[in-house]
Amino acid sequence: GENVEQHPSTLSVQEGDSAVIKCTYSDSASNYFPWYKQELGKRPQLIIDIRSNVGEKKDQRIAVTLNKTAKHFSLHITETQPEDSAVYFCAASSGSSNTGKLIFGQGTTLQVKP
Amino acid sequence: NAGVTQTPKFQVLKTGQSMTLQCAQDMNHEYMSWYRQDPGMGLRLIHYSVGAGITDQGEVPNGYNVSRSTTEDFPLRLLSAAPSQTSVYFCASSFWTSGRRGGTQYFGPGTRLTVL
Repeated sequence: GENVEQHPSTLSVQEGDSAVIKCTYSDSASNYFPWYKQELGKRPQLIIDIRSNVGEKKDQRIAVTLNKTAKHFSLHITETQPEDSAVYFCAASSGSSNTGKLIFGQGTTLQVKP
Repeated sequence: NAGVTQTPKFQVLKTGQSMTLQCAQDMNHEYMSWYRQDPGMGLRLIHYSVGAGITDQGEVPNGYNVSRSTTEDFPLRLLSAAPSQTSVYFCASSFWTSGRRGGTQYFGPGTRLTVL
């Protein structure tokens, strides 16, 4: 089955710096790659996603890149702010491309120091 | 819309007890799923469903049962609770139609379960 590996497990940056989180996946049939942010004690919420026919997608300070050949995708956060501190999860679609089934990475705890 | 709702928010069980975690959504989503979240383990898929009457196993299905009798509801049953099932459980739902390649999953608020 699909396996998603996420690195690093923890990341500490100074406010204003950039943060990069990387994920690799095993299923070459995966075609949907969302990123979720989870604040302490709250539910995960989608922040950005990318599909396999696109190499890069940007939304203000957040961008995601996808390399299908290498089977890895990354989240980039620029000009980090204290409110970016949270746990971030990557995910990849699994099995039949139309089931909606997602497999998640282990999560990255991002700390942005003022 | 209430979105995805879960009950209860907190639950304490003794080893061997059974219980049902409730999940409901009012967005007419075809796809629903259950995850458990443990420190350092991310979100692990327990069971999922692509429509009423259709369910399948995820990564960690042992010890859990599900059914999907309606589009709105997707309860998760713990048959005989064990301390290893202490976790936070999230239900999620999304649109899925033939030809659509995955959609945004909306999560419920979670249920924190402790098994003593």
